Amino acid sequence: GENVEQHPSTLSVQEGDSAVIKCTYSDSASNYFPWYKQELGKRPQLIIDIRSNVGEKKDQRIAVTLNKTAKHFSLHITETQPEDSAVYFCAARGARGGYQKVTFGIGTKLQVIP
Amino acid sequence: EPEVTQTPSHQVTQMGQEVILRCVPISNHLYFYWYRQILGQKVEFLVSFYNNEISEKSEIFDDQFSVERPDGSNFTLKIRSTKLEDSAMYFCASTIDRGYEQYFGPGTRLTVT
Repeated sequence: GENVEQHPSTLSVQEGDSAVIKCTYSDSASNYFPWYKQELGKRPQLIIDIRSNVGEKKDQRIAVTLNKTAKHFSLHITETQPEDSAVYFCAARGARGGYQKVTFGIGTKLQVIP
Repeated sequence: EPEVTQTPSHQVTQMGQEVILRCVPISNHLYFYWYRQILGQKVEFLVSFYNNEISEKSEIFDDQFSVERPDGSNFTLKIRSTKLEDSAMYFCASTIDRGYEQYFGPGTRLTVT
């Protein structure tokens, strides 16, 4: 099955700096890569996603890149703010099982220091 | 904006007891999921459900687990005989069609004592 590796597990940045979280996946059939933000005790919320026919996607301060050949994808947050502090999960969804199962990475705890 | 809802928000049960976790997916969604998250760990897929049957399940989803859509709105996860290691946050999710974003509910925290 799919395996998603994520690093770093924790990340501290100064407010205003950029944060980068990297993930790799194992199943070359995976075609959809969502990123979720989870605040303490709350549900995972989709913040951005990218499909395998696109190499990069941007939404304001957040961008994702995808390298299908290397099976890498990354989340970039620019001009970080204290409210960006949360756990971020990358995930991959593949073709097996009818494009349904989402496999999550271990999560990155981002702390933005004011 | 429509949301997935779950009840209860927190359930405490004794080991060996049966629990039923309830979810109301978004009304026009057709695919339903259960995930669990043990405290401090990643979200893990349990099962997907479509057209009144399980379409995929993980190795975690053993004979102690079952899912049901008893009516047109609810989607339930039953654990027949809970174990200590079943303690986790259980998230329900739904999507309008496969290939689309899955929307997560707020979760039910299950504590098995």
